[in-house]
Amino acid sequence: DTAVSQTPKYLVTQMGNDKSIKCEQNLGHDTMYWYKQDSKKFLKIMFSYNNKELIINETVPNRFSPKSPDKAHLNLHINSLELGDSAVYFCASSHRTQAPEQFFGPGTRLTVL
Amino acid sequence: AQSVTQLGSHVSVSEGALVLLRCNYSSSVPPYLFWYVQYPNQGLQLLLKYTSAATLVKGINGFEAEFKKSETSFHLTKPSAHMSDAAEYFCALEGSNTGNQFYFGTGTSLTVIP
Repeated sequence: DTAVSQTPKYLVTQMGNDKSIKCEQNLGHDTMYWYKQDSKKFLKIMFSYNNKELIINETVPNRFSPKSPDKAHLNLHINSLELGDSAVYFCASSHRTQAPEQFFGPGTRLTVL
Repeated sequence: AQSVTQLGSHVSVSEGALVLLRCNYSSSVPPYLFWYVQYPNQGLQLLLKYTSAATLVKGINGFEAEFKKSETSFHLTKPSAHMSDAAEYFCALEGSNTGNQFYFGTGTSLTVIP
């Protein structure tokens, strides 16, 4: 059973398009995250949701919009894609009060042409 | 403010040699500390964690780390490197008042030479 899953694994698209990445966790966690990993492997937190409420919203262009329909899902929608959005996006989850460690999905490699 | 510094973006060791990956942290509150490993084209996998219990923490795959408050360090070690240990390693910190926000180091790429 996959604990944190993301779809798609690869996404290739043109500049200016709108795309979404989906994330689901089956761990019963109450907090989910989106990270961006650039070409130098640097990991940057983008957003965090706890029980569907936004709790971390780092300095990210407003073209990026997270949506959490329920505690098990956190999707990332990106409008008007730019070349600089090319990166690997990771979803993660944790149980905020029980254990601090985060569990990561396999990542989505986004390439903007 | 919370931050993590990993000294050495690339480390090479011979197979069978000691692995030492360095991590120093800065935190205004007692931290939780983690080491993650990332194999090529995969997500991050938790190796071990420190959550204010024992200062010497044992993890998976023979890795361990020691929390040293006086040195603000949490270095990762393994007595004998295997080829399968070649990967990217990340140290991370969570300050107990930051709502589960992780602060990651910049990563250390470990190469194991046969």
